[in-house]
Amino acid sequence: KAGVTQTPRYLIKTRGQQVTLSCSPISGHRSVSWYQQTPGQGLQFLFEYFSETQRNKGNFPGRFSGRQFSNSRSEMNVSTLELGDSALYLCASSLGQPNTEAFFGQGTRLTVV
Amino acid sequence: AQRVTQPEKLLSVFKGAPVELKCNYSYSGSPELFWYVQYSRQRLQLLLRHISRESIKGFTADLNKGETSFHLKKPFAQEEDSAMYYCAPPSGNQFYFGTGTSLTVIP
Repeated sequence: KAGVTQTPRYLIKTRGQQVTLSCSPISGHRSVSWYQQTPGQGLQFLFEYFSETQRNKGNFPGRFSGRQFSNSRSEMNVSTLELGDSALYLCASSLGQPNTEAFFGQGTRLTVV
Repeated sequence: AQRVTQPEKLLSVFKGAPVELKCNYSYSGSPELFWYVQYSRQRLQLLLRHISRESIKGFTADLNKGETSFHLKKPFAQEEDSAMYYCAPPSGNQFYFGTGTSLTVIP
């Protein structure tokens, strides 16, 4: 069974630009969550999508948005990039039932210069 | 929301020594708690969850409601245990990760 796949693995963007990150979940998983990982803040929850609907949202500004497609693939978009958005962005998929294991991708390393 | 505290950002132990990674939670009710691990250049993965009461790679974690803790323990540390460890209570389908503890096992 293929794992969670995130593309691209690395991105370098300039302040003010926007970026789109992609996540393909494990086959059969309908829930996709996104996390931001930074050395100072650790892992912070961004949002979760289930069956194309945003079901949960973390405490991030509106510049961070996402969507999920009918095949459960998900994209995350960050507009008007700031230097502080530099981080590892992790995607996780699960079956969607509460309190079940999440399977993580290897992440997209975003650097904003 | 569920919150946990991992008081140690860095922890070093010698190979063969016991290791304990601390996790304290600060919410009431019946907590569901997980430990996730991230080895160097590998993806974050589940190590164990308290409800299963199992031992994975020699690690165990006991939920202590009196002390509101869910410490991860291993009697004899191995070099391959060097990794980043996260205590994480789930809430629905999101995890509230602690800040993590970086464990280094010294040969």
